[in-house]
Amino acid sequence: GAVVSQHPSWVICKSGTSVKIECRSLDFQATTMFWYRQFPKQSLMLMATSNEGSKATYEQGVEKDKFLINHASLTLSTLTVTSAHPEDSSFYICSARGSGRASPEQYFGPGTRLTVT
Amino acid sequence: QKEVEQNSGPLSVPEGAIASLNCTYSDRGSQSFFWYRQYSGKSPELIMFIYSNGDKEDGRFTAQLNKASQYVSLLIRDSQPSDSATYLCAVLWGDMRFGAGTRLTVKP
Repeated sequence: GAVVSQHPSWVICKSGTSVKIECRSLDFQATTMFWYRQFPKQSLMLMATSNEGSKATYEQGVEKDKFLINHASLTLSTLTVTSAHPEDSSFYICSARGSGRASPEQYFGPGTRLTVT
Repeated sequence: QKEVEQNSGPLSVPEGAIASLNCTYSDRGSQSFFWYRQYSGKSPELIMFIYSNGDKEDGRFTAQLNKASQYVSLLIRDSQPSDSATYLCAVLWGDMRFGAGTRLTVKP
């Protein structure tokens, strides 16, 4: 099956700093990548959808200036949480959908647990 | 608003029993349906997907789709304690929309 990696797997940062999370598709080219956030005991919440080479589409209520998404290549998307605050502490998960794949399923990365102190 | 609804559970079944997980969706135009399993603290992993009305079997798992009723279910036969997890139903219309998940506990 398709493999998606994320780095780092966990990060602790101080309030006011920025954190970058990388999402890579290792064995396929991902034309579309998705970023989700999940708070404890809650479901996945889609934050934004990014297509390679174009600007990300953000879901309602997600601040695009706070959560910067870059999808510069077919195998890499990054999410930067700028000026992080404790309420941004969450489990961030990316997923990817490949180009030229007959089926539309998405494959998830292992997630990044962010703790803002 | 397009929605995916699941019973949050928890659903508890004894080892060896059949676990039945249900999901309804609001958009009649949806074409693709997915079941993911998520262990605590981990990201979701795809179990199976279904596009056509009827049943689709894969090992101990059977997905059932009824587009007329806008209903999709997952049956787990011979449930094992290792099946204890949250099961997410997802529906594709443009992007993937997830239900809140049903927490399943399989008791030895």
